[in-house]
Amino acid sequence: NAGVTQTPKFQVLKTGQSMTLQCAQDMNHNSMYWYRQDPGMGLRLIYYSASEGTTDKGEVPNGYNVSRLNKREFSLRLESAAPSQTSVYFCASSVGLGGQYGYTFGSGTRLTVV
Amino acid sequence: GQQLNQSPQSMFIQEGEDVSMNCTSSSIFNTWLWYKQEPGEGPVLLIALYKAGELTSNGRLTAQFGITRKDSFLNISASIPSDVGIYFCAGVTSGTYKYIFGTGTRLKVLA
Repeated sequence: NAGVTQTPKFQVLKTGQSMTLQCAQDMNHNSMYWYRQDPGMGLRLIYYSASEGTTDKGEVPNGYNVSRLNKREFSLRLESAAPSQTSVYFCASSVGLGGQYGYTFGSGTRLTVV
Repeated sequence: GQQLNQSPQSMFIQEGEDVSMNCTSSSIFNTWLWYKQEPGEGPVLLIALYKAGELTSNGRLTAQFGITRKDSFLNISASIPSDVGIYFCAGVTSGTYKYIFGTGTRLKVLA
């Protein structure tokens, strides 16, 4: 049982390049989330999808776009990467919105923008 | 954005010692959760608490939902080297998507 799978695990981008972070879950969860984790800042919500077909902004959405491709997949796109987007990105899923029964996290994508 | 305050920020302890950490907020939550993050991995859920005063255990871990609903506590008994990691609390207000994370307590266990 894979849980939440993120690809790639590591990525280096040049400023201005674009890329898409992929996330897939196999637990039939309705809600999915993208977080970024920075030293001293904890986990901050970028975007979330309450259910298939819906997406909404979180706390730090600027510079990102998302697509809920189907119930399993939720991708995060950086259209023009900036050094401030250097971070560790985590995808998570939960049974319902709000995650009161807990989130399942992926193992993260470590992104460096130079 | 809002974050929960966790203390201590970091701890170095000897193997076999007990550990206590807490999480405080200015807001009331309906659910408190505790996660552990090991190096290079995502956070993993340890314990979820749903009622003020609730005390829940998971092996050597025990967590409590504070009576004021503004705090929560995590204890680890008889620590072992694999307890190393960052422990995060999270508070959830029912009816919203808002899942507020704590700043984390970094635990190191010396054998």
